[in-house]
Amino acid sequence: DAGVIQSPRHEVTEMGQEVTLRCKPISGHNSLFWYRQTMMRGLELLIYFNNNVPIDDSGMPEDRFSAKMPNASFSTLKIQPSEPRDSAVYFCASSSPGAGELFFGEGSRLTVL
Amino acid sequence: SQQGEEDPQALSIQEGENATMNCSYKTSINNLQWYRQNSGRGLVHLILIRSNEREKHSGRLRVTLDTSKKSSSLLITASRAADTASYFCATPLVSDYKLSFGAGTTVTVRA
Repeated sequence: DAGVIQSPRHEVTEMGQEVTLRCKPISGHNSLFWYRQTMMRGLELLIYFNNNVPIDDSGMPEDRFSAKMPNASFSTLKIQPSEPRDSAVYFCASSSPGAGELFFGEGSRLTVL
Repeated sequence: SQQGEEDPQALSIQEGENATMNCSYKTSINNLQWYRQNSGRGLVHLILIRSNEREKHSGRLRVTLDTSKKSSSLLITASRAADTASYFCATPLVSDYKLSFGAGTTVTVRA
């Protein structure tokens, strides 16, 4: 299995630009998570999808952040407009039905100048 | 909000030595998980221990869980340079899907 695939691995953009991060979960996994990791705040859960439906988006910091999961094999996290404080590593993770453990992608490192 | 806290924050050991790190959490849990993160990489699941288990082994890893003290420990025996990484405990917050990760313990194994 290829694991959770995220793209891009690195993104450098200027404040005000739109950023789209992409994730392909492991086939057969029905839960998908977006996390953000920073030195100051550690790992934060942004949003959780189950069977492509957003269940909990209470961690999404602001309306500038949005996430979609149009099908079982693809999800996006969009930031519009981006700000320097959005600089972080964004992780996508998936899990299979009934299982507790998460499988993480390698992350997308975002730098907003 | 962080449910779990790892201790120590950092640990430096010689290759071949054992490394022990602890995790304390605040509320009752169904399970507790440990993850490893190598520099610049994603987190990798190591082990899950359920609330009715006291100890679990996986290769050179040994995890204990004391629900009365709300704490867990991760022991890495006979450490290797490849064990250099950050280690995180994670506990379900409110519901099983909502994992809360601690700040992690950074382990450096010196050759």
